[in-house]
Amino acid sequence: DAMVIQNPRYQVTQFGKPVTLSCSQTLNHNVMYWYQQKSSQAPKLLFHYYDKDFNNEADTPDNFQSRRPNTSFCFLDIRSPGLGDAAMYLCATSEGALGVWTDTQYFGPGTRLTVL
Amino acid sequence: AQSVTQPDIHITVSEGASLELRCNYSYGATPYLFWYVQSPGQGLQLLLKYFSGDTLVQGIKGFEAEFKRSQSSFNLRKPSVHWSDAAEYFCAVGASNFGNEKLTFGTGTRLTIIP
Repeated sequence: DAMVIQNPRYQVTQFGKPVTLSCSQTLNHNVMYWYQQKSSQAPKLLFHYYDKDFNNEADTPDNFQSRRPNTSFCFLDIRSPGLGDAAMYLCATSEGALGVWTDTQYFGPGTRLTVL
Repeated sequence: AQSVTQPDIHITVSEGASLELRCNYSYGATPYLFWYVQSPGQGLQLLLKYFSGDTLVQGIKGFEAEFKRSQSSFNLRKPSVHWSDAAEYFCAVGASNFGNEKLTFGTGTRLTIIP
């Protein structure tokens, strides 16, 4: 049973053409994360939501935005993709238990973005 | 800020042989340590984690890891690898602030299994 679902699995877009990646979860977790992973590199956290509270990493470019309309869904919007934005984008969730730092992150299979 | 070093970019092991993947961390307080595995084209899956208590942690798929504070290490081991273990392995350290949002990954170790 899929717990963290990402759509599409593969996305091709043109340079400068806005693109939206989707993530949904069946775990009812409070926290959702977006990571960018380039080839042979570690995942890099872009931002996360704790419930509706948005937390942006300081080095995340303004070109990247996110929306979380409800607990289950989270979207990554790339307003004007550049060639350097080609990567695997991973969505993850965790329970976000208050005051207890024991949460495992559950990852989706990722969306591979190609920019032409 | 915390950091993670995985000194081995690529390791090749014969099927049935033992495995040890190295991980060194830097963090001023008690670390929260994780090992994740990523199969090609897939997301990450948690193998095991350490927060406190017994320094030898058992995980899924027959993996274990040992936390050594004196060496700032959290090496992953498996006594006998299977061809299906071929994947990328990431060690990660978390900051002990609220939530799990500050998870810093190492650059990963790619494991190749030969017959």
